[in-house]
Amino acid sequence: ETGVTQTPRHLVMGMTNKKSLKCEQHLGHNAMYWYKQSAKKPLELMFVYNFKEQTENNSVPSRFSPECPNSSHLFLHLHTLQPEDSALYLCASSQEGRQGGTGELFFGEGSRLTVL
Amino acid sequence: AQSVSQHNHHVILSEAASLELGCNYSYGGTVNLFWYVQYPGQHLQLLLKYFSGDPLVKGIKGFEAEFIKSKFSFNLRKPSVQWSDTAEYFCAVNGGPGRRALTFGSGTRLQVQP
Repeated sequence: ETGVTQTPRHLVMGMTNKKSLKCEQHLGHNAMYWYKQSAKKPLELMFVYNFKEQTENNSVPSRFSPECPNSSHLFLHLHTLQPEDSALYLCASSQEGRQGGTGELFFGEGSRLTVL
Repeated sequence: AQSVSQHNHHVILSEAASLELGCNYSYGGTVNLFWYVQYPGQHLQLLLKYFSGDPLVKGIKGFEAEFIKSKFSFNLRKPSVQWSDTAEYFCAVNGGPGRRALTFGSGTRLQVQP
């Protein structure tokens, strides 16, 4: 039990589908993140939400659309994805101050996405 | 931009061997440093962290890491590995201009043979 719950754990979708990944954190943190983990590549930061405001968008294609309705929930909406988007998508949370924080992240178990 | 290099992509050791995994980062200012571990089929979890103070930090399961500022390094060590240490290890750094989130290295896959 990590305190960060991601659903679904596995998702297979076609290139024309629309789906969403969900993340919920039970740690009382105020910042949430999406990372992409592909084989043999560093974890790629996608989005950061701090106090429900998006503070980083790491040049992510618009076919990925994040949503953060409150500090406990984070979504990643997916549409018209490409096969190269197949990866493990990791959600994380942290406690940040207004001037920043330590950076320590708490991760969920990830959502394994396969795009056909 | 901050970058993190892990030089060993795949390491194979026998049980009881000593381990050292290299990690170098690029930003020369104040940084916080982390090692995360991902056991097969499990989530990324924190192994140890350095914020300030004693540059030799101890983590869980007998791991330690040494921060050498002059070398921009934060190498992970364990004197005697066990089969259960088989996992992927990620170095991460927080710091650098305009970046609050962690920057990760590409990971090192450790395989410990019984």
